[in-house]
Amino acid sequence: DQQVKQNSPSLSVQEGRISILNCDYTNSMFDYFLWYKKYPAEGPTFLISISSIKDKNEDGRFTVFLNKSAKHLSLHIVPSQPGDSAVYFCAASAMEYGNKLVFGAGTILRVKS
Amino acid sequence: GAGVSQSPSNKVTEKGKDVELRCDPISGHTALYWYRQSLGQGLEFLIYFQGNSAPDKSGLPSDRFSAERTGGSVSTLTIQRTQQEDSAVYLCASSRSGFDGYTFGSGTRLTVV
Repeated sequence: DQQVKQNSPSLSVQEGRISILNCDYTNSMFDYFLWYKKYPAEGPTFLISISSIKDKNEDGRFTVFLNKSAKHLSLHIVPSQPGDSAVYFCAASAMEYGNKLVFGAGTILRVKS
Repeated sequence: GAGVSQSPSNKVTEKGKDVELRCDPISGHTALYWYRQSLGQGLEFLIYFQGNSAPDKSGLPSDRFSAERTGGSVSTLTIQRTQQEDSAVYLCASSRSGFDGYTFGSGTRLTVV
């Protein structure tokens, strides 16, 4: 039972345009959400996070939006750059899980120059 | 070291053999996590160590899997009598505090033939 779902395995975007990566979750107890970025042969690196008390968090070109009623979050990258090409993982946590993160399967983003 | 170090980076083993995977966390990080990523899947939680507390082993898929953390630093994940379904990338992460501080290693790609 996948509690965190990234339904798009891949996404291709032109350089300079907006990239939108989506994530859906099923557990209403999740209260903290994170995005990680992973390059080939490297471990995932933290990108941006959002608490369930907020609906938006922005950090430079990266913005995460949270829609609790829809159990949906999205990561916006604007403008997209070729160096953003990577696998993006959505992750969620809940008090009942302690410090464990539940990850989605990832979305491969390709930014074309 | 500056990052989380995992060894070996690649391991091919015959079905039925035991394997040991090693993780050197960042110095001073009290929390250590093991995850694995099977093909097309998200990161699956395996085990979590926090300081001197008893580890959270709730994610270990079978009793063939075990892990220890010696002296609050290096951790070893052992898989006994490996099966083909154990083939995955095994990722270790350490954290000083909270989720933002998760630093992943580059992983060990395990292939059971």
